[in-house]
Amino acid sequence: RKEVEQDPGPFNVPEGATVAFNCTYSNSASQSFFWYRQDCRKEPKLLMSVYSSGNEDGRFTAQLNRASQYISLLIRDSKLSDSATYLCVVNRGGTYKYIFGTGTRLKVLA
Amino acid sequence: GAGVSQSPSNKVTEKGKDVELRCDPISGHTALYWYRQSLGQGLEFLIYFQGNSAPDKSGLPSDRFSAERTGGSVSTLTIQRTQQEDSAVYLCASSLVTGRGNEQFFGPGTRLTVL
Repeated sequence: RKEVEQDPGPFNVPEGATVAFNCTYSNSASQSFFWYRQDCRKEPKLLMSVYSSGNEDGRFTAQLNRASQYISLLIRDSKLSDSATYLCVVNRGGTYKYIFGTGTRLKVLA
Repeated sequence: GAGVSQSPSNKVTEKGKDVELRCDPISGHTALYWYRQSLGQGLEFLIYFQGNSAPDKSGLPSDRFSAERTGGSVSTLTIQRTQQEDSAVYLCASSLVTGRGNEQFFGPGTRLTVL
């Protein structure tokens, strides 16, 4: 089993739709969680950190469920510009090593 | 301010040759990471530098791979006797070390093609 697992997609959604991605992790000692966005042939960029209490940034909401060992990303009112690959990132507990998921690809359609 | 820079942006080499990839992190960032991303794959951790501590080399795939970080700043990833399976995008990232986890800032990557 991979340490961080994501559904590769693609998720094809119309503009304005709400879409959610999940990411599961296997190391219960993991302490830091992030969502990164990667556009085609570009470097990853931080979208948002994921805090225990959940957090929201505009149209984006991230949640952490430690008991079930998953994090989620909800995107409301999808825009064409949201089309990208979303990478789940989890640190290996007690270290500064970060494990990246293979990403979930989102396509927002006009 | 300046972000993470990497050079070269593209490198084509012949099997068996050595290559050097360079990373200039953001000034003041003490942590530096190297990753490899093959086509359609996730990022594979290679090596991590933090300040003056011994680097975490646990992700280097073979002894043909090595990396240095001089003066706590610039880093060089060297691949000796390159093989076709080394073809990938090599990404460097730097970060500050904070208590809430570290946002990593990535460079644009070096696309390596081994013929």
